Amino acid sequence: SQELEQSPQSLIVQEGKNLTINCTSSKTLYGLYWYKQKYGEGLIFLMMLQKGGEEKSHEKITAKLDEKKQQSSLHITASQPSHAGIYLCGADKSAGGTSYGKLTFGQGTILTVHP
Amino acid sequence: DTGVSQDPRHKITKRGQNVTFRCDPISEHNRLYWYRQTLGQGPEFLTYFQNEAQLEKSRLLSDRFSAERPKGSFSTLEIQRTEQGDSAMYLCASSPPEGPGIGTQYFGPGTRLLVL
Repeated sequence: SQELEQSPQSLIVQEGKNLTINCTSSKTLYGLYWYKQKYGEGLIFLMMLQKGGEEKSHEKITAKLDEKKQQSSLHITASQPSHAGIYLCGADKSAGGTSYGKLTFGQGTILTVHP
Repeated sequence: DTGVSQDPRHKITKRGQNVTFRCDPISEHNRLYWYRQTLGQGPEFLTYFQNEAQLEKSRLLSDRFSAERPKGSFSTLEIQRTEQGDSAMYLCASSPPEGPGIGTQYFGPGTRLLVL
């Protein structure tokens, strides 16, 4: 099965600082999804990456998928308290990423942003 | 609100009781997924439907668990003879059949189950 490892497990930063969260797979990633979750709530979709070298941005959050499609990173620029939460990467296990079936998730990264 | 909705949001039950959760997906989405999440972990896949057909079930879905989506719209997840190990957040998600968002799963707020 596809294993996803996220690092760090938790992160505490001062408001205004930049940060990066990594997601590493033991197998090639055919569809990589980033979600944000506030404690006790559902997941909010952030971005989806499919192609090697792909990079997407939304507001101050940038996600990248490496050329080998085994590692993704999520970068937040000038962090704000509103960025606090749990960040999860999830992967479509199917080759070609077209089955639109189950996602396998990493264990999550807990982000705390101090004002 | 046109997002995925789940009911109830919280459920406390005694061991051995049956519980049923409901999920209403985004209206034009034909795929519906159930996941379970325990504290400190990412969601784990349970099962998913395409329209009314249940296409895949995880080994996590024991005989005590059953999911239905009778008319291809809302879905129910029932747990019979609950055990303390069933305590978790149960998440539902749906995804669209076509267009730029195809394959992207949109999640509901979850149902938090506590089995005493």
